[in-house]
Formats: sequence, structure tokens, C-alpha cells
Amino acid sequence: SYELTQPSSVSVSPGQTARITCSGDVLAKKYARWFQQKPGQAPVLVIYKDSERPSGIPERFSGSSSGTTVTLTISGAQVEDEADYYCYSAADNNYVFGTGTKVTVL
Amino acid sequence: QVQLVESGGGVVQPGGSLRLSCAASGFTFSSYGMHWVRQAPGKGLEWVAFIRYDGSNKYYADSVKGRFTISRDNSKNTLYLQMNSLRAEDTAVYYCAKVGDGDTDYWGQGTLVTVSS
Repeated sequence: SYELTQPSSVSVSPGQTARITCSGDVLAKKYARWFQQKPGQAPVLVIYKDSERPSGIPERFSGSSSGTTVTLTISGAQVEDEADYYCYSAADNNYVFGTGTKVTVL
Repeated sequence: QVQLVESGGGVVQPGGSLRLSCAASGFTFSSYGMHWVRQAPGKGLEWVAFIRYDGSNKYYADSVKGRFTISRDNSKNTLYLQMNSLRAEDTAVYYCAKVGDGDTDYWGQGTLVTVSS
């Protein structure tokens, strides 16, 4: 089975840029998705296909990929972006979420 | 609008069984594979099981293989998770979700399963 590793926490000041990495062998051959989850709520898709943004997601959210690592970037982070973020990928009938990153905006 | 509504959670003793349901509406349920994903209290998301759109193939996390069974009834737009031989470590919020197809994912609000004596 595959594993996806993320930093446990990232802190950023309002208006600054936050970057969250996700690493795993599966990312060399399959796309990643990123989910945002706020306390007591279901996850929300913020990036798919490594770098595509669903409709309704603010432009400050972007994604990139290089080799076995994908990165979620929040440019000009807002207080409302404080949440847990999870990467996700799937291959060979294995489905895996990343370990999760708590983003603090203060 | 799209809705996924889970039900069937509750408190069960170790070794017991529970059946979760997920009622779908607002999209063509029978066209999509569906997942169960769980989240233990204060922990991250854990993929549990997946079933193809027509029920032809099912896949499970190692942690639940042989104990949980995913199924669906496309005539009722409903997804199920039969959970047997429950353990304390199965305590979690269980979400049904359509994840990984295109630019839109759908998640329910989750149902809490507590395994405790």
C-alpha cells in the first residue's frame, strides 16, 4: 500500500504565503487532490489533478507537482484558511490520504 | 442539490456489529464509484473501502479487510457499510464520499461510531 507524508503543522501570518508539501512514491505516476477540513465539518476539495482549482475555490489556492512531491500553496493566507489540509491519491486500487497538516494563520 | 446523508452510527460493544447507510440524491449515484472514509477523534482521514459504480469490484483498507463489507443498491441510491467484529480502534466518524472523479467531490456530514463496553 502507498503512503503520503505531510508536515504536521504550518504557521503563517495573515497575508503571507503558506506552503504544504505531500510526499509519496504514488505521486510520481498519479495525480493528487487536496482537501481542506475545518473543525466539525466534512472535507472540501480545493485542488484536483495536482494543480487544478474547482469552481468556487479562491485563486489564492494553487497546487504544483515535482517528482514524488506535490505542494499546496496559499498565497495571501486569510484567517478563514486556518484548517487541516489533506492530500489524497489513488493507484492500483489503493486509495490513500496524507497524514494531514494543521495550518495556523496568526 | 447534492446530498449524501449517513445514518446507522451509534454505540456498540467490542465484537459487535453495525450497518451504516448513506442515502444519495442530486446526482446520478449509479454512475460513480463510492467510498467510505473514517476519522478517529482528533486524528486524520483514513480511507476504509471503495465500491465501483455497478458494485462489480470492492476494495478495503488492510485495517478492516475481512470484517467490513461495502455494498450498494443503485435502485435505492444507497451505499452501505456492514461492520462486524468491531474494535475500539474502529471508533470514528464515518463519511461516505464520491472522491476522485473529475473536478467535483461529494461528502456526507458523517455518522459517529463508538465502540466501547
